[in-house]
Amino acid sequence: TQLLEQSPQFLSIQEGENLTVYCNSSSVFSSLQWYRQEPGEGPVLLVTVVTGGEVKKLKRLTFQFGDARKDSSLHITAAQPGDTGLYLCAGPPNTGGFKTIFGAGTRLFVKA
Amino acid sequence: NAGVMQNPRHLVRRRGQEARLRCSPMKGHSHVYWYRQLPEEGLKFMVYLQKENIIDESGMPKERFSAEFPKEGPSILRIQQVVRGDSAAYFCASSLGTSGTTGYEQYFGPGTRLTVT
Repeated sequence: TQLLEQSPQFLSIQEGENLTVYCNSSSVFSSLQWYRQEPGEGPVLLVTVVTGGEVKKLKRLTFQFGDARKDSSLHITAAQPGDTGLYLCAGPPNTGGFKTIFGAGTRLFVKA
Repeated sequence: NAGVMQNPRHLVRRRGQEARLRCSPMKGHSHVYWYRQLPEEGLKFMVYLQKENIIDESGMPKERFSAEFPKEGPSILRIQQVVRGDSAAYFCASSLGTSGTTGYEQYFGPGTRLTVT
């Protein structure tokens, strides 16, 4: 079974701190997406990484795709309270089709 | 360029009533997904549909739940004879469903929060 495991499950930090969350699998993914879900809202797509070793930056967020395309990380620099939310990684199945596999998410809380 | 629309945003039903949740995908998107989310939990896949076809309903309870995506009109998630355990947020997402990385990117609606009293 293809799974995406995210860690940590929960993270509470002070404003201004840096953090990294992880998305790991034993399977190879052709691409991975990262989403952020704020309280009371639907998830919003942040980025898609495709190439092994790829690094993408979105303001204070840095996304990396592992060389073997089995894992990904999200690093946030100088976290702000507005970064609070549930961060989800997701990817397409290697069996074909379009039913995306989602991780359980990392719940981030940034205290002012 | 409207995003994914869901209505109603909030729905209150008494036990035993029916709940109908609607989802209009983004323009040009032919794939629709429904997810359920309990408070403080992740997304649980329910069903994946294309126009007039159910592709994968492995996450949807076999009884009381049904979904459709007709040729015309929104996708509907229907819950018959609701029970308190059905109380949750239900999210719809749509995607292009084409080959290539962008085909897998899902765009979510704001959700419908169902409360069963």
